[in-house]
Amino acid sequence: AQKITQTQPGMFVQEKEAVTLDCTYDTSDPSYGLFWYKQPSSGEMIFLIYQGSYDQQNATEGRYSLNFQKARKSANLVISASQLGDSAMYFCAMRDRYSGAGSYQLTFGKGTKLSVIP
Amino acid sequence: NAGVTQTPKFRVLKTGQSMTLLCAQDMNHEYMYWYRQDPGMGLRLIHYSVGEGTTAKGEVPDGYNVSRLKKQNFLLGLESAAPSQTSVYFCASSPSPFYEQYFGPGTRLTVT
Repeated sequence: AQKITQTQPGMFVQEKEAVTLDCTYDTSDPSYGLFWYKQPSSGEMIFLIYQGSYDQQNATEGRYSLNFQKARKSANLVISASQLGDSAMYFCAMRDRYSGAGSYQLTFGKGTKLSVIP
Repeated sequence: NAGVTQTPKFRVLKTGQSMTLLCAQDMNHEYMYWYRQDPGMGLRLIHYSVGEGTTAKGEVPDGYNVSRLKKQNFLLGLESAAPSQTSVYFCASSPSPFYEQYFGPGTRLTVT
């Protein structure tokens, strides 16, 4: 079973609008962490935001916020006031004890390609 | 601070050839990682290291070997390259698994 699911292969958003990128996860570890990374066309991976499973507040970093719904096992990334430079692939990743990649290692989703339209 | 650097940036190999990818970090991080990224896939962990002299298998370790002789360097080796190893390889480092990982720029490897 997929541990991290990103159901939107591609999304379009108008410049200056907000957009939500979906991420659902599956784990039995009560202590886990969720990360979002951005990969522009240049190829590098850029860390955006982190949410711990015990964090009481939803994480925010500038225009990025994480809509964390623990009971639904979702950790959606919200980008406010989209800019042309936000066009990129976005990856959700989870760190948990039972990762198939090794204890406490990251499991990545397949990504969502966001295109911002002028 | 250079962060995480990878050498080389591009490489073309013939089937059966060997090569080593070098990753270096100047942030004094204990943890280092090698990932591969294939089209339509997220990153998959090949091997990782929790400190100098240690290595561990990730999700897709077959066909690869690694070494961490110095804290700042993490080497990924392909002893006998196969076309299935055509991919983009990313190195990353972090102080621990509980912090974000810092990624290198990637190495695009083609095996013909």
